[in-house]
Amino acid sequence: AQKITQTQPGMFVQEKEAVTLDCTYDTSDQSYGLFWYKQPSSGEMIFLIYQGSYDEQNATEGRYSLNFQKARKSANLVISASQLGDSAMYFCAMREGLNNFNKFYFGSGTKLNVKP
Amino acid sequence: GAVVSQHPSRVICKSGTSVKIECRSLDFQATTMFWYRQFPKQSLMLMATSNEGSKATYEQGVEKDKFLINHASLTLSTLTVTSAHPEDSSFYICSALEYTEAFFGQGTRLTVV
Repeated sequence: AQKITQTQPGMFVQEKEAVTLDCTYDTSDQSYGLFWYKQPSSGEMIFLIYQGSYDEQNATEGRYSLNFQKARKSANLVISASQLGDSAMYFCAMREGLNNFNKFYFGSGTKLNVKP
Repeated sequence: GAVVSQHPSRVICKSGTSVKIECRSLDFQATTMFWYRQFPKQSLMLMATSNEGSKATYEQGVEKDKFLINHASLTLSTLTVTSAHPEDSSFYICSALEYTEAFFGQGTRLTVV
């Protein structure tokens, strides 16, 4: 089974509106971390937000928030007040356990296009 | 946040030659670094886990002799693509862990002609 599933290959959103990018995960570990990265066309991976499995509150970072539904194993990214510069690929990732050797599993990504 | 520097950002090489890509953690020590390969419009595929002072751990299907990884110090890991072929053309990206976060290099776009 896939560790991380992103079911939206592409999304469009109007500038200044909010958008939700879906992510579900699969793990039997109790300790894990969930991440969202942005990858613009230049290729670099930009860290956006992190949610630990034991965090009771949803993570927020500026215009980014993570809607963490532990029972559903979902970690959707919400971008509020979309900007043109938000157009990029977005990857959801998970790291199982807290050991430094634990790998990151990435989803297939969602390409977000923000329309003016 | 922590900085990971990857060099070169772009490289073009002739088929049959070898190419070395460097990944440096600039302001922290990284005992573990990861190397990924990304095909156009696809996700990152983990190639190997690079551990300082020991052999790298390769993912299934990744040729160890083709993609040589050396992690000689706590701040530097290198990936050498040996006897490169056009099908090795891809975007290679490294990451290093600091606590719970992974920081990524800028990536290297390799084109083999």
